[in-house]
Amino acid sequence: SQTIHQWPATLVQPVGSPLSLECTVEGTSNPNLYWYRQAAGRGLQLLFYSVGIGQISSEVPQNLSASRPQDRQFILSSKKLLLSDSGFYLCAWNGGTPTDTQYFGPGTRLTVL
Amino acid sequence: RKEVEQDPGPFNVPEGATVAFNCTYSNSASQSFFWYRQDCRKEPKLLMSVYSSGNEDGRFTAQLNRASQYISLLIRDSKLSDSATYLCVVNRITGGGNKLTFGTGTQLKVEL
Repeated sequence: SQTIHQWPATLVQPVGSPLSLECTVEGTSNPNLYWYRQAAGRGLQLLFYSVGIGQISSEVPQNLSASRPQDRQFILSSKKLLLSDSGFYLCAWNGGTPTDTQYFGPGTRLTVL
Repeated sequence: RKEVEQDPGPFNVPEGATVAFNCTYSNSASQSFFWYRQDCRKEPKLLMSVYSSGNEDGRFTAQLNRASQYISLLIRDSKLSDSATYLCVVNRITGGGNKLTFGTGTQLKVEL
């Protein structure tokens, strides 16, 4: 069966510090991978998605970036965090088409102070 | 207009009650529809897909009305454990390909 991992689970970072969140998927090959952010009291916002190694599409302009160095690894980064980057970051995957059911990892709760 | 709209609630219902949630979507070309459940401070989890003919899974029934562009979720015999936020999800047609769009969710609180 497929599993998706994210770490760390919780992170508190000062404004201006860098960020690196990692997501890995097991039990599947060539998944579509997604990064979402959920701010307090708001819906899920798609940040990036990837259909293959090195292929990244950005949904919204921001100071975040994503990379996919391996088939089942998706990384979310920032060089300098802003207060507005606080939120619940969720990685998701699916197979087949991008409109198939997506499965989420446990998420990383980021607080920028 | 938002692509996917839901009543945020909260819906406070007694245990054993029947409760219904509606969701409307703006893109008439949408083809995939889902309901997800999200517990407090947890990741969303798929509850059920929604098919044109309507589908049922135990106490849960999902309906799709393409003409009116709305999706519904009916929960019968509510349990305390049904308390959560229910997210309506619709695929979004864009120039960059199809993606899923999540509603902001409807909160359900089932009480004794």
